[in-house]
Amino acid sequence: NAGVTQTPKFRILKIGQSMTLQCTQDMNHNYMYWYRQDPGMGLKLIYYSVGAGITDKGEVPNGYNVSRSTTEDFPLRLELAAPSQTSVYFCASSPPGRGNTIYFGEGSWLTVV
Amino acid sequence: RKEVEQDPGPFNVPEGATVAFNCTYSNSASQSFFWYRQDCRKEPKLLMSVYSSGNEDGRFTAQLNRASQYISLLIRDSKLSDSATYLCVVTFNAGNMLTFGGGTRLMVKP
Repeated sequence: NAGVTQTPKFRILKIGQSMTLQCTQDMNHNYMYWYRQDPGMGLKLIYYSVGAGITDKGEVPNGYNVSRSTTEDFPLRLELAAPSQTSVYFCASSPPGRGNTIYFGEGSWLTVV
Repeated sequence: RKEVEQDPGPFNVPEGATVAFNCTYSNSASQSFFWYRQDCRKEPKLLMSVYSSGNEDGRFTAQLNRASQYISLLIRDSKLSDSATYLCVVTFNAGNMLTFGGGTRLMVKP
């Protein structure tokens, strides 16, 4: 009953460090997404992918990179961590098509100090 | 102007009360509408889709007004377990890219 799995759940980074947030889904969904949520705010789309080998920028892509080499995996890379990237990150997936339910992972809490 | 706007609340209501939230969206080409529920420190989960004719799911009723560009969520007979943040969500394109409002926090008290 895995669904969307994100790791790590919590991480503290120093300014300038790099890290990768891992995301995998076992529902064979074509669409995958990365969102960030700042305290008291809604979710903002960072990057998305409509299938293996295809990625595109969302609303707030600066400072991040993604890849989609398989249907299951959609890692998010932070190259030079900045305090402004302190946030909760949610990975999600959905079947293709408008209006289909999007399934979220449990979130990754990232603090940059 | 934000694409999807909500009153952040909090709405503090007693158990058994009826409470309503509104959400406005700016893009008249918006295509799909949803309410998601998010518990503290948890991921958002779909509460219900919102259809043009309005729809009901138990104590929850969702309505869409395309002319005025808003959607609403009505919760009847509030339970303590309804305490959460309710996120208004809209898609603007043919894909499945969700745009979230900032959320409305509901606190139901005994």
